[in-house]
Amino acid sequence: DSGVTQTPKHLITATGQRVTLRCSPRSGDLSVYWYQQSLDQGLQFLIQYYNGEERAKGNILERFSAQQFPDLHSELNLSSLELGDSALYFCASSAYSGLSYNEQFFGPGTRLTVL
Amino acid sequence: AQSVTQPDIHITVSEGASLELRCNYSYGATPYLFWYVQSPGQGLQLLLKYFSGDTLVQGIKGFEAEFKRSQSSFNLRKPSVHWSDAAEYFCAVGALGTYKYIFGTGTRLKVLA
Repeated sequence: DSGVTQTPKHLITATGQRVTLRCSPRSGDLSVYWYQQSLDQGLQFLIQYYNGEERAKGNILERFSAQQFPDLHSELNLSSLELGDSALYFCASSAYSGLSYNEQFFGPGTRLTVL
Repeated sequence: AQSVTQPDIHITVSEGASLELRCNYSYGATPYLFWYVQSPGQGLQLLLKYFSGDTLVQGIKGFEAEFKRSQSSFNLRKPSVHWSDAAEYFCAVGALGTYKYIFGTGTRLKVLA
């Protein structure tokens, strides 16, 4: 158990809909990262937050957005869903951002299926 | 641009045999290197990491990896594979200030009884 929790575990929805994925980082970790794992794209970095502020953006679509709240949990919002958004979405957390390098601890993921 | 290559998509070994999974990276500065394992339906678990120092790194579950700067490689090894090692293995590179990992495409390991 990495200490990172993600809810829900599974999500099934229809095209055009909007969903919210939630992540709670390990106790004390200030950085949260979101990744998408799909069969055709592999594991892709989406976005990172550090202590409530966006720090880095990767291959995140404009239909997707995220935020990190004062209690450090994070939410990834996916809107106008398309079939191709079906994937496993991972959240990871780490202790620091930029000052030194620390490994990331991954949650169990949320499997999103868009029908 | 930073990249990570795992040349072997699938590897099959017999239980008790030795294992080596290859990872090559491309990065201009000293990279921070990681190996993660993903069991079916599970998240990613860190096996080992290389930040600096001794180029032979020991990890959990009996795995080790060797950083070879001249070959831009960070291959994962295990002297004797167990059936429970069947999983997908990901190599990743990170660099100070970039805040993210770049993952390889993964190597799926199958273990024959």
